[in-house]
Amino acid sequence: DGGITQSPKYLFRKEGQNVTLSCEQNLNHDAMYWYRQDPGQGLRLIYYSQIVNDFQKGDIAEGYSVSREKKESFPLTVTSAQKNPTAFYLCASSKRQGADTDTQYFGPGTRLTVL
Amino acid sequence: GQSLEQPSEVTAVEGAIVQINCTYQTSGFYGLSWYQQHDGGAPTFLSYNGLDGLEETGRFSSFLSRSDSYGYLLLQELQMKDSASYFCAVGGNSNYQLIWGAGTKLIIKP
Repeated sequence: DGGITQSPKYLFRKEGQNVTLSCEQNLNHDAMYWYRQDPGQGLRLIYYSQIVNDFQKGDIAEGYSVSREKKESFPLTVTSAQKNPTAFYLCASSKRQGADTDTQYFGPGTRLTVL
Repeated sequence: GQSLEQPSEVTAVEGAIVQINCTYQTSGFYGLSWYQQHDGGAPTFLSYNGLDGLEETGRFSSFLSRSDSYGYLLLQELQMKDSASYFCAVGGNSNYQLIWGAGTKLIIKP
């Protein structure tokens, strides 16, 4: 079955540590996205990538970094520079061409808690 | 700036019909989408409107008026499992990004 996987589902981190969240898709989608969601809030875009080896900052990129070395993978690193990293992190992907190019498909999310 | 407005919370009774409105102000427009998110879960795609009019998918319908920068999601024959947050999102440019509303929490009472 095609889909998006994120791991781990729950992650605990000590202050001052960097942590990497995994996102893998087998939908053959070109575009991938990382969002942050705080309790009772909407989705805020951290980074997005339209093609391998290319990515752009979203609205809240400070304190985060990404890479896109493979079409299927778009890992997100939450660095120690991120002042308030506790949140629900969602990865998504979408087609670049054809119908429904704006439809985004989401992974199950990673809930990060900084202790 | 770019923004989407939707009510923060709507309450309805099981079996009834509810409408969730969304108004948008964006520099570009590449369609209005609706997503459903249950507590603790990921958003899932419900509906997309690229042109004016009504799109129907089972119990759910979505409407768009580009001249009014307005759309709505209509849920019929409400079931308890429809209790969730509903987000409208606009494709605001050609970079395949979506601009998201803050979400509407739908509370369904028996």
